[in-house]
Amino acid sequence: GAVVSQHPSRVICKSGTSVKIECRSLDFQATTMFWYRQFPKQSLMLMATSNEGSKATYEQGVEKDKFLINHASLTLSTLTVTSAHPEDSSFYICSASRGSDGYTFGSGTRLTVV
Amino acid sequence: SQKIEQNSEALNIQEGKTATLTCNYTNYSPAYLQWYRQDPGRGPVFLLLIRENEKEKRKERLKVTFDTTLKQSLFHITASQPADSATYLCALVPYNQGGKLIFGQGTELSVKP
Repeated sequence: GAVVSQHPSRVICKSGTSVKIECRSLDFQATTMFWYRQFPKQSLMLMATSNEGSKATYEQGVEKDKFLINHASLTLSTLTVTSAHPEDSSFYICSASRGSDGYTFGSGTRLTVV
Repeated sequence: SQKIEQNSEALNIQEGKTATLTCNYTNYSPAYLQWYRQDPGRGPVFLLLIRENEKEKRKERLKVTFDTTLKQSLFHITASQPADSATYLCALVPYNQGGKLIFGQGTELSVKP
């Protein structure tokens, strides 16, 4: 079946540094990918829609200069958390649509900013 | 305002019984609705999708109903097993919003042996 590979699974970084998270569709092409964040015991909140070859569309309240999204190919989207702060610590998850087969999600990235 | 609401309290049931989870939505026009399973520290896993013109969908021990008049979906797991213990998320894709998937807050299910 369709697989979305997300790396890294865990990352700890110092406050003020940047972190890049990669999301790859392994056996299908994803013109659109979605990025979510999830706080403990809460649901997934959509951050942005990543479109191959064009600018991402951000949800209200999400800072586009802080969460940089690049979707340079049909199989790769990246999320860079710039100048990370402890409040950015969260679980970040990407997904891609497979039409009537639902959406395939990556395994998530646990980001801890210290 | 737009809302997707699931039972916020955890659901505890005995093995072998049927678990029923509820998802209600407000001020959305969903093209279709989906159910996902999420285990701790993992991404959601797709279970079932039901379109607005479908009333019911089944897959093995799973059944989903969709009532667009009540604006509600019910998710059933029959003959539940301890391995079914997880958080179950309902999500919908609204019309004309670029395929965005919007999630409810999830219901934690615990199946006791």
